Amino acid sequence: EDQVTQSPEALRLQEGESSSLNCSYTVSGLRGLFWYRQDPGKGPEFLFTLYSAGEEKEKERLKATLTKKESFLHITAPKPEDSATYLCAVGGKLTFGQGTILTVHP
Amino acid sequence: DSGVTQTPKHLITATGQRVTLRCSPRSGDLSVYWYQQSLDQGLQFLIQYYNGEERAKGNILERFSAQQFPDLHSELNLSSLELGDSALYFCASSGLWGTEAFFGQGTRLTVV
Repeated sequence: EDQVTQSPEALRLQEGESSSLNCSYTVSGLRGLFWYRQDPGKGPEFLFTLYSAGEEKEKERLKATLTKKESFLHITAPKPEDSATYLCAVGGKLTFGQGTILTVHP
Repeated sequence: DSGVTQTPKHLITATGQRVTLRCSPRSGDLSVYWYQQSLDQGLQFLIQYYNGEERAKGNILERFSAQQFPDLHSELNLSSLELGDSALYFCASSGLWGTEAFFGQGTRLTVV
């Protein structure tokens, strides 16, 4: 069965303080690893898809990378509006991790 | 706007009742997923349909059922509701198997 573990559970940063979120996974045949952002009470918003080890995707202050066993979401010089829960998911039926709650203080 | 539409946005009902949640996928998407998210909990996969057929099943209770219609919209039926069924229910849609899914804004179900 597909499994996803995200760490840390919560991360508090100062504005401009770069950091990384981790997503470790086990899956029977990686069909894709997906990153989402979720604001409270809202539906997850799609960010990135990664399909193969070594692949990288970037969008504004976010960069996602993939290895054979984990993915990282790097946040460079975050702003308060980046505060949200970041989720990763794998597999054809989208098995999600518990998420990392990111809070960026001004 | 993801293009996935869920109705209703909010639903308050009593224990023991039955409700139906509706999802219209993005234009052209064949796959629909249903998830449950309880307070401070992660997204729990319930069920997935692809072009009208059940594709994958998660920890969906026997009191819950779903279907996808020929026009590709989907409905999630929840019956004999209990207080613990109170949650956000999300629908998502995608094109091909294994591609990114786009989520609706959810239905907030409150069972009293």
